[in-house]
Amino acid sequence: EDKVVQSPLSLVVHEGDTVTLNCSYEVTNFRSLLWYKQEKKAPTFLFMLTSSGIEKKSGRLSSILDKKELFSILNITATQTGDSAVYLCAVEPQTSGSRLTFGEGTQLTVNP
Amino acid sequence: DGGITQSPKYLFRKEGQNVTLSCEQNLNHDAMYWYRQDPGQGLRLIYYSQIVNDFQKGDIAEGYSVSREKKESFPLTVTSAQKNPTAFYLCASSIDRGYAGYGYTFGSGTRLTVV
Repeated sequence: EDKVVQSPLSLVVHEGDTVTLNCSYEVTNFRSLLWYKQEKKAPTFLFMLTSSGIEKKSGRLSSILDKKELFSILNITATQTGDSAVYLCAVEPQTSGSRLTFGEGTQLTVNP
Repeated sequence: DGGITQSPKYLFRKEGQNVTLSCEQNLNHDAMYWYRQDPGQGLRLIYYSQIVNDFQKGDIAEGYSVSREKKESFPLTVTSAQKNPTAFYLCASSIDRGYAGYGYTFGSGTRLTVV
């Protein structure tokens, strides 16, 4: 059974701080790891990491994948109040059906 | 614009009632999914379907039922057998090949409350 564990579950920081969110996983026949941001309703896509793309960056957000240690981190620098959200990590196996297994999520609160 | 539409946004159910949540997509995606999200928890898979007239149980299928009569539609029925149905329900769709997770599209969700 595929498994994803995120930490911390909750994090409160001040604007301007840098945060690191963690995701460890177990999956049969890994295909990809994905990060999503969920503010109120639908999760929105942030990054996809694969065996051939283990580091991604977009503005203040960046993510790396350690396939050996089965671990990924999501970094957010110079945090803003608009970064407040639940951040979800998910893994996709090679098997058809493309069912994603999600972690519990990290609730990030950025205070002004 | 292509996307997924879930309805209603809010739903109240009396104990013992069955209710059906609607999910429609016009993305021409083959695969569709239903997830449940409880406060402080991630998304848990209820049912998924890769093709019309076929679907599989996810991790928490008990007390739920689905149908997939059309490619565009994947309704979820929450039956009276589901003992704790109060939750946020998300529908998603994707292609069914390659890096499908990259193209995962979510609806805006339905918040179901038992009264």
